[in-house]
Amino acid sequence: AQSVTQPDIHITVSEGASLELRCNYSYGATPYLFWYVQSPGQGLQLLLKYFSGDTLVQGIKGFEAEFKRSQSSFNLRKPSVHWSDAAEYFCAVATPGTNAGKSTFGDGTTLTVKP
Amino acid sequence: EPEVTQTPSHQVTQMGQEVILRCVPISNHLYFYWYRQILGQKVEFLVSFYNNEISEKSEIFDDQFSVERPDGSNFTLKIRSTKLEDSAMYFCASSEIASGQAFFGQGTRLTVV
Repeated sequence: AQSVTQPDIHITVSEGASLELRCNYSYGATPYLFWYVQSPGQGLQLLLKYFSGDTLVQGIKGFEAEFKRSQSSFNLRKPSVHWSDAAEYFCAVATPGTNAGKSTFGDGTTLTVKP
Repeated sequence: EPEVTQTPSHQVTQMGQEVILRCVPISNHLYFYWYRQILGQKVEFLVSFYNNEISEKSEIFDDQFSVERPDGSNFTLKIRSTKLEDSAMYFCASSEIASGQAFFGQGTRLTVV
């Protein structure tokens, strides 16, 4: 069965600093990978996704993520964080094939941005 | 851009009451999902639905839960007799094909009192 680990429960960065949120997955082959952002009391917004091809994917709001097969990782990065980026971030994995819409989510990382 | 629509955005119900959460998936999508997120926790898969039947369900999805596609546009989640621990955000999602990405709605926050 697939699983996702987000090792950092809470991260604090200063506005303008760079950001990296970690995500590790467990799956026998190459899964579908996603990063979502959730503001308090709100829904899930897809930041970016990886299905295949180029291992560096660009998303919305200036985010990018890199798929590293050798490390089973899909870390999310942003070069310069804005105060509005403060939110909960979820990494998710899905199995390519017949039920790819079923995602397994990580526990999430809460991002706090200091002024 | 097409989107998944969920109603209501917030529902309060008394313990033991039945509740129906409604979703309108993206119109050409054929695969439908419900997820649950208890406050402060991660998003958990409940059930997937295709061709008018459940294709997969999690351990959470017990006999108190049911899903239905009553017409060509709606997809519903029914909880027969709500418990306090059913309080959560419920997300509906849909995908066009089995191997495609699921698109999520904005969620319904269910509060059981």
